[in-house]
Amino acid sequence: NAGVTQTPKFQVLKTGQSMTLQCAQDMNHEYMSWYRQDPGMGLRLIHYSVGAGITDQGEVPNGYNVSRSTTEDFPLRLLSAAPSQTSVYFCASISATVWFFGPGTRLTVL
Amino acid sequence: QQQVKQSPQSLIVQKGGISIINCAYENTAFDYFPWYQQFPGKGPALLIAIRPDVSEKKEGRFTISFNKSAKQFSLHIMDSQPGDSATYFCAARGNAGNMLTFGGGTRLMVKP
Repeated sequence: NAGVTQTPKFQVLKTGQSMTLQCAQDMNHEYMSWYRQDPGMGLRLIHYSVGAGITDQGEVPNGYNVSRSTTEDFPLRLLSAAPSQTSVYFCASISATVWFFGPGTRLTVL
Repeated sequence: QQQVKQSPQSLIVQKGGISIINCAYENTAFDYFPWYQQFPGKGPALLIAIRPDVSEKKEGRFTISFNKSAKQFSLHIMDSQPGDSATYFCAARGNAGNMLTFGGGTRLMVKP
């Protein structure tokens, strides 16, 4: 089992560009979520999904879109990147009381 | 507004010492309190967790103490080792939507 995989590992964007961060899990979990990690602020929830076709906003959703067409995949889209979106992004797949995190994507927006 | 406040932000402990990290929360609807450990370049991983009906939970060198009336909980690492050097996050789960709220993190360095 690969667990939770994320691609790419690193990305540099220019302001205004768009991109999709990929997340996949092979544990057949219904719940998945996206967090961003910034120094001193812990991990903040961007969007989450309780199953295929069902998504909802978290604490910091502005500038991000998600969709969940399959149980396995939960991509995060940046519509028009801004420097404030420079961060490390983590996808999590959730089983009961355990959040399984992927290795993260380090994004820099210039 | 951070619903889970964590302190200190950084901590340096000598090998063999006790590391103590504290967290406080506001929302009395939180029903599950995990601690996550994160090594550089990796995602956080579950270390230990507790429910509010228990005052203490111990797993090896790691202990959570929970004070429901004070809305505080803490992580104690006994006999701290250099391999424990990592960032630690406390968290709390709301009882709706399976959402986890994290504290700001503590960067622990254990000196040999």
